[in-house]
Amino acid sequence: DADVTQTPRNRITKTGKRIMLECSQTKGHDRMYWYRQDPGLGLRLIYYSFDVKDINKGEISDGYSVSRQAQAKFSLSLESAIPNQTALYFCATASGVNTEAFFGQGTRLTVV
Amino acid sequence: GDSVTQMEGPVTLSEEAFLTINCTYTATGYPSLFWYVQYPGEGLQLLLKATKADDKGSNKGFEATYRKETTSFHLEKGSVQVSDSAVYFCALGDRGSTLGRLYFGRGTQLTVWP
Repeated sequence: DADVTQTPRNRITKTGKRIMLECSQTKGHDRMYWYRQDPGLGLRLIYYSFDVKDINKGEISDGYSVSRQAQAKFSLSLESAIPNQTALYFCATASGVNTEAFFGQGTRLTVV
Repeated sequence: GDSVTQMEGPVTLSEEAFLTINCTYTATGYPSLFWYVQYPGEGLQLLLKATKADDKGSNKGFEATYRKETTSFHLEKGSVQVSDSAVYFCALGDRGSTLGRLYFGRGTQLTVWP
């Protein structure tokens, strides 16, 4: 099994719908991250969490919310999806800032 | 603030050619530097890293040296293969920052032709 698992892998949703992307990890790491990848823009940080009680906004948190349900689970929600949220979303975990980050395989989200 | 700037692509090379992808950084503290690779349809995975000045990271024939004097961490490979075709990301983790996050460059698409 993968160390970092994202579900779903692909999703098409309509404008205005609420959608949740889920991430679970078996690495035992405290730090978890949600990134968005767009062509030519690289990876942009949406939210990150250092433990269950610690949630921090990243560069582009508007329109998104997160929940850290347990050390191993970190979900990303789009409360009311819009087309410019169409992107590839990645979850990642790490044990520290100067250590390797482990990424999930990504969720390709299309908002129509 | 902290940031990473890397060479824009795409980069197209013939097999066995020499590869350089430039990366420079700005950091307020004591950064560790990373190169990640993303193969088609996959997530990012660590390629190599260096945690202090003058360290050289290496893996799969790729190398990068942490140059504090030029704030650079350029990725090199002497002879690329078709299987090296991927997107490469330079990244920085700053232990001196209270934010405790990774900063990524925009990625460089590499295509290697046989």
